[in-house]
Amino acid sequence: AQSVTQLDSHVSVSEGTPVLLRCNYSSSYSPSLFWYVQHPNKGLQLLLKYTSAATLVKGINGFEAEFKKSETSFHLTKPSAHMSDAAEYFCVVSSSGSARQLTFGSGTQLTVLP
Amino acid sequence: DGGITQSPKYLFRKEGQNVTLSCEQNLNHDAMYWYRQDPGQGLRLIYYSQIVNDFQKGDIAEGYSVSREKKESFPLTVTSAQKNPTAFYLCASSLRGASGVSGANVLTFGAGSRLTVL
Repeated sequence: AQSVTQLDSHVSVSEGTPVLLRCNYSSSYSPSLFWYVQHPNKGLQLLLKYTSAATLVKGINGFEAEFKKSETSFHLTKPSAHMSDAAEYFCVVSSSGSARQLTFGSGTQLTVLP
Repeated sequence: DGGITQSPKYLFRKEGQNVTLSCEQNLNHDAMYWYRQDPGQGLRLIYYSQIVNDFQKGDIAEGYSVSREKKESFPLTVTSAQKNPTAFYLCASSLRGASGVSGANVLTFGAGSRLTVL
């Protein structure tokens, strides 16, 4: 069994300040973890993925996430928010190599204030 | 450019009508998926297909039907039996969903179709 919890449904930051989007997971096996971003009325785009290599994963647009097994967390961070980062972010867990087994979090809406 | 095309982008339907959403990909991916997205919820899997002429029910298949006659195409029909069809529908594809295949759990998404039942 696997599950994923995004701890904040909404996060607001000012432009130029750090971003932290929190994600905790539960998995019976060594998981793969992903962050996807969705802009309004668009499909999801892969930001980054963790697949048991380096625990600090760098993604596109300056985002990165750290896999912490002891805390069962995979938080998404960015040092400096940009207006274009405003979107919804989804944390996703997979306990197998198949996309059939993906479990999506409920999403975090990021607002970036000028 | 390779990608997934969904059409129509917006669709309105009267109660009791069936409607079909189109999904076409030119990524040469074997596996294709349909998800439903409702506000404040994660994506929920409706149907998926790993090869042509074969498809499997996902977590919320009731009231939906699919076909996979071509590798590139995976249309979704929302039938009148679906009790609450108003939602945003997302099509996705991946390498064949077999465990151990590198990248098989990475999805590429289309831009979505928003269905509203009047």
